[in-house]
Amino acid sequence: EPEVTQTPSHQVTQMGQEVILRCVPISNHLYFYWYRQILGQKVEFLVSFYNNEISEKSEIFDDQFSVERPDGSNFTLKIRSTKLEDSAMYFCASSDGGLGQGAGEQFFGPGTRLTVL
Amino acid sequence: AQTVTQSQPEMSVQEAETVTLSCTYDTSESDYYLFWYKQPPSRQMILVIRQEAYKQQNATENRFSVNFQKAAKSFSLKISDSQLGDAAMYFCAYRSASGGTSYGKLTFGQGTILTVHP
Repeated sequence: EPEVTQTPSHQVTQMGQEVILRCVPISNHLYFYWYRQILGQKVEFLVSFYNNEISEKSEIFDDQFSVERPDGSNFTLKIRSTKLEDSAMYFCASSDGGLGQGAGEQFFGPGTRLTVL
Repeated sequence: AQTVTQSQPEMSVQEAETVTLSCTYDTSESDYYLFWYKQPPSRQMILVIRQEAYKQQNATENRFSVNFQKAAKSFSLKISDSQLGDAAMYFCAYRSASGGTSYGKLTFGQGTILTVHP
């Protein structure tokens, strides 16, 4: 069964450093998402991506964040200068449809745990 | 903006018994989807069940069923014949089915930790 994969599973970084979190969505999916979950809290939407551009972003997704689909398979989240409060689990998700009835289910990756020291 | 509220931070159930997890939501939209996701200790998000708002019939998936009350904006999850493997955090989530600025983002509730006692 196809699945979303994410690397690395755990990333430790120093405050102020740049990190890139990688995701490989399911191959025929067109819509891509990043979510964040701070330990013990709810899952929060960061950004959605379709047709090589951002479709929607939340207030959390400020100028320190960027997303990219550098090739036909990878989908990356970059945090330019990490802060302590960026420590969280980051989930990538993909679906084959974004809108309307019958819109596709979002499949989640296993997450990347980011620890900022 | 849509909000999702899970008022039960923790619930517990005996193995083989039935438990119901509550979820309410607030929206001005008429067309949307509701979901229950399970997050075990591995923290992987697993879809349990999905309900389309235009459907009056409550969704069921094996031991999992929902009670969808559209007028009351309530969406509870019932787990029958609970098993030890059901122990996890459960999240209720909302997604718009209309166009506009919402491109399929999920809005989650705070989660309910379910403990299953042998």
